[in-house]
Amino acid sequence: EAQVTQNPRYLITVTGKKLTVTCSQNMNHEYMSWYRQDPGLGLRQIYYSMNVEVTDKGDVPEGYKVSRKEKRNFPLILESPSPNQTSLYFCASSLRQGRSYEQYFGPGTRLTVT
Amino acid sequence: AQKVTQAQTEISVVEKEDVTLDCVYETRDTTYYLFWYKQPPSGELVFLIRRNSFDEQNEISGRYSWNFQKSTSSFNFTITASQVVDSAVYFCALGAHTGRRALTFGSGTRLQVQP
Repeated sequence: EAQVTQNPRYLITVTGKKLTVTCSQNMNHEYMSWYRQDPGLGLRQIYYSMNVEVTDKGDVPEGYKVSRKEKRNFPLILESPSPNQTSLYFCASSLRQGRSYEQYFGPGTRLTVT
Repeated sequence: AQKVTQAQTEISVVEKEDVTLDCVYETRDTTYYLFWYKQPPSGELVFLIRRNSFDEQNEISGRYSWNFQKSTSSFNFTITASQVVDSAVYFCALGAHTGRRALTFGSGTRLQVQP
């Protein structure tokens, strides 16, 4: 089954404790991306990756890091989480080329930073 | 810059009523994509439709229909004979054809369908 998986689905942590949210896709997609969802703001892009070893900032990258060492994985790293990073996070993937624009979203990770 | 406006923050209807969710977008691109997603209480994003900017045909899928009007930069979504299971937050989104391919989302419309 074609899918994007995220782990963990729920996480409660404390300020300053480094954490990683994993994202993996099994569709051989070149393009992957992270979004955060906040009430009244919709979803906003954090980082994206056009391919392995190619990453770039989205609209709200402050406080986050990413890496793309393998095509299927795109982890989101919070080196020193703060309460304003409490949010619902979505990973997404798609083919890079072509007119088609199918973006597949993971199930979401709800993060609470106290 | 791209922008998506969903002016209706929350809509409440009674089951079997028809309801239209509005979406207005702004972009300077000539080629772009429009989407609707549903987010039920469980939190996942469910893809409903993608429309290319060069295809202004309206679409119907069961009780769902979409009205794309380039002249007014709108991509409205109508649910006919609403059901309780339609209760969710609905997002309209705009995607660029090139560049970083980010989806620009509206702030969402929460639909509550009362039995």
